[in-house]
Amino acid sequence: DSGVTQTPKHLITATGQRVTLRCSPRSGDLSVYWYQQSLDQGLQFLIQYYNGEERAKGNILERFSAQQFPDLHSELNLSSLELGDSALYFCASSASTSIDTQYFGPGTRLTVL
Amino acid sequence: AQSVTQLDSQVPVFEEAPVELRCNYSSSVSVYLFWYVQYPNQGLQLLLKYLSGSTLVKGINGFEAEFNKSQTSFHLRKPSVHISDTAEYFCAVSDQKVTFGTGTKLQVIP
Repeated sequence: DSGVTQTPKHLITATGQRVTLRCSPRSGDLSVYWYQQSLDQGLQFLIQYYNGEERAKGNILERFSAQQFPDLHSELNLSSLELGDSALYFCASSASTSIDTQYFGPGTRLTVL
Repeated sequence: AQSVTQLDSQVPVFEEAPVELRCNYSSSVSVYLFWYVQYPNQGLQLLLKYLSGSTLVKGINGFEAEFNKSQTSFHLRKPSVHISDTAEYFCAVSDQKVTFGTGTKLQVIP
């Protein structure tokens, strides 16, 4: 158990819909990262937050957004969903910077029908 | 821009045999390198990391990796694999953000 929790575990929705994925980091970790893992694109870094502020951005689509709240939990919002958004979405946390060990949650499997 | 190349998508190896998983990187700034493992239906877990110092890095579960600056490589090795090592292994490089390789599936054959 990494100490990172993600909800829900599974999500099935339709094209055009909007969903919110939630992540609670390990106690004491200030950084949260979001990743998308799919068979065709592999593991893609989406975005990093540090203590409530956006720190680094990766291959995140404009339809996707994220935020980190004062209690350090984070949410990833995915809107206007397309079939190609079906993937496993991981959240990870680390103490502060990206060179610290990242601890990954179990992931949320999103299926868009 | 930084990038990571894992040339082998799958590596089959017999139990108790040695294994090497290859990783090459490119980065224009200071290099921080990682190996993560993903067991089936789980998130990633850190095996080891190189930040500075000794180029030979020892990690969990008997794995080690050697940082080779001239060859821009960070290959992962284990002298004797077990069935339980069957998993997908990801090499990663970081400056301000982490870039992961495409992963290598290690299949240990009994």
